[in-house]
Amino acid sequence: GAVVSQHPSRVICKSGTSVKIECRSLDFQATTMFWYRQFPKKSLMLMATSNEGSKATYEQGVEKDKFLINHASLTLSTLTVTSAHPEDSSFYICSASYGQTSISTDTQYFGPGTRLTVL
Amino acid sequence: GQNIDQPTEMTATEGAIVQINCTYQTSGFNGLFWYQQHAGEAPTFLSYNVLDGLEEKGRFSSFLSRSKGYSYLLLKELQMKDSASYLCAVLDSNYQLIWGAGTKLIIKP
Repeated sequence: GAVVSQHPSRVICKSGTSVKIECRSLDFQATTMFWYRQFPKKSLMLMATSNEGSKATYEQGVEKDKFLINHASLTLSTLTVTSAHPEDSSFYICSASYGQTSISTDTQYFGPGTRLTVL
Repeated sequence: GQNIDQPTEMTATEGAIVQINCTYQTSGFNGLFWYQQHAGEAPTFLSYNVLDGLEEKGRFSSFLSRSKGYSYLLLKELQMKDSASYLCAVLDSNYQLIWGAGTKLIIKP
């Protein structure tokens, strides 16, 4: 149980285009979903926290207008990278939790990640 | 500032035991996580400690000392598949996860 999927697993796009990444909790209702970014050989960086039905909470330094997050249902959150640039190339990872708080002590179940390459 | 320290890299032999240490300095403490991450994959949850002491889960154990700001992950009977990065993360008083940079564990036959 507690499976989280991401789609697509890999995406290559041209600079200036937008890319949407989906995160789904397959067998549980995720009140809270988190979006992380990982650069090579570095730890995860939390980008934003999304609670179903409300606006996402972005971490300092993360551009809200560039990284659009929507958490429309208890099983789906989407991250849209708008006007992508080569520096946005990274591994984007989502996680989902049953918890109610913005970051929960409940276990986070991680998605497999999406590797974005912007040419 | 908030800081998590763990060794960058460790090497161990298949079948042996290895201990990965993590020290932290954070504004408050609401628990410490250990994650395993294989190259190119998302991290997977290993353990969560909020009280002092040792928690054992199969071949993996995690220890916490809040007074010392210290934790370790103990891996027994090492297997080649244990080669991965091990991430230590602390939940601070604002329930924000503070991440270490990870320890790359190399297992040799």
